[in-house]
Amino acid sequence: NAGVTQTPKFQVLKTGQSMTLQCAQDMNHEYMSWYRQDPGMGLRLIHYSVGAGITDQGEVPNGYNVSRSTTEDFPLRLLSAAPSQTSVYFCASSSARDTQYFGPGTRLTVL
Amino acid sequence: GNSVTQMEGPVTLSEEAFLTINCTYTATGYPSLFWYVQYPGEGLQLLLKATKADDKGSNKGFEATYRKETTSFHLEKGSVQVSDSAVYFCALSDLVYGNKLVFGAGTILRVKS
Repeated sequence: NAGVTQTPKFQVLKTGQSMTLQCAQDMNHEYMSWYRQDPGMGLRLIHYSVGAGITDQGEVPNGYNVSRSTTEDFPLRLLSAAPSQTSVYFCASSSARDTQYFGPGTRLTVL
Repeated sequence: GNSVTQMEGPVTLSEEAFLTINCTYTATGYPSLFWYVQYPGEGLQLLLKATKADDKGSNKGFEATYRKETTSFHLEKGSVQVSDSAVYFCALSDLVYGNKLVFGAGTILRVKS
């Protein structure tokens, strides 16, 4: 039981490049979320999903896309990276109205 | 909308000192409240939670009581250790749809021996 896994751990991009941050969970949780962590701002919700095929925007969705084709996976796509997207990204999962479990994070730098 | 405010840090304490980290919230309805901890270089771990008014969450010597009348969820520990050095986040969950979490800015705790 690996819990929530994220890849890669570190990534450096140039402005305008695209990439996908991977997130997977093996707990059969229906809820999955993506957060970004910036100094002095806590974590802010980017996108979330309440089940396969269902996604919605969080507080800071601009510049990011998500899809949820399976219960286990919830990738986050950056279509055209910008320096403002330099951050640490966390994926989380939970069952309905229960504690969220977080992955180890991906540290992204956009030059 | 929902929001969480927690005391600014860093908080620096000597080992065995008493810890309080203040957290207040604004929310519609009756959210659940959480404290998460982040050790250096790691992700977030749930420290404790409370799901209704007057509930007390506790874990590893840490405690917090859900106070609806003061909209607060202050974190306390009677005797901190160097190993408690971390960033502590207060959060509430929006249970209307999607189990979304709203976080405070985080408080850095440094414990010196």
